[in-house]
Amino acid sequence: GQSLEQPSEVTAVEGAIVQINCTYQTSGFYGLSWYQQHDGGAPTFLSYNALDGLEETGRFSSFLSRSDSYGYLLLQELQMKDSASYFCAVRGSNDYKLSFGAGTTVTVRA
Amino acid sequence: DAGVIQSPRHEVTEMGQEVTLRCKPISGHNSLFWYRQTMMRGLELLIYFNNNVPIDDSGMPEDRFSAKMPNASFSTLKIQPSEPRDSAVYFCASSFDGGNYEQYFGPGTRLTVT
Repeated sequence: GQSLEQPSEVTAVEGAIVQINCTYQTSGFYGLSWYQQHDGGAPTFLSYNALDGLEETGRFSSFLSRSDSYGYLLLQELQMKDSASYFCAVRGSNDYKLSFGAGTTVTVRA
Repeated sequence: DAGVIQSPRHEVTEMGQEVTLRCKPISGHNSLFWYRQTMMRGLELLIYFNNNVPIDDSGMPEDRFSAKMPNASFSTLKIQPSEPRDSAVYFCASSFDGGNYEQYFGPGTRLTVT
């Protein structure tokens, strides 16, 4: 099976940088994804890392270290609209299903 | 593209009643996932279909839950009989094999069992 750990809550001010860490334990590993979910909404895809290193998409970046079973999501130039829950999810087998972490609630304050 | 379509968006039912949730995946996607989300248990995968075939149903809680995918454009999740602990938001998601493994989620069905 898979287990993922990420912080439950993070609070920051507008314009700041937030890093959400995710550590995982899996019997197999094919990739790490990140999803954003606003309150009352559906999860939406942010990024997928299959190889070590940093992937940058606008203000958001995602990093993976397979040897450390660790990844993070970096949110830069925080905006109020970034207040949401962020989930890391592991693809642990050679199919297409994901196992999700418990989520990190990010609150952005003015 | 219309995205993943789920119906109903809200369902309130009494304990013991049958509940059927419906999902239309994005056209061309060949994997479909049913998830349940609660505060206590987070986002749980219930069942996963690939090319209309159930691949992994290990997350289905018990025999009261069943899912079908009769064709590439329609899936159902049925709960019979329903219980108060089944109250949750149920999401359907679809994806296209390969690529970046992005899953596209529907808006969800909020189920309340009284």
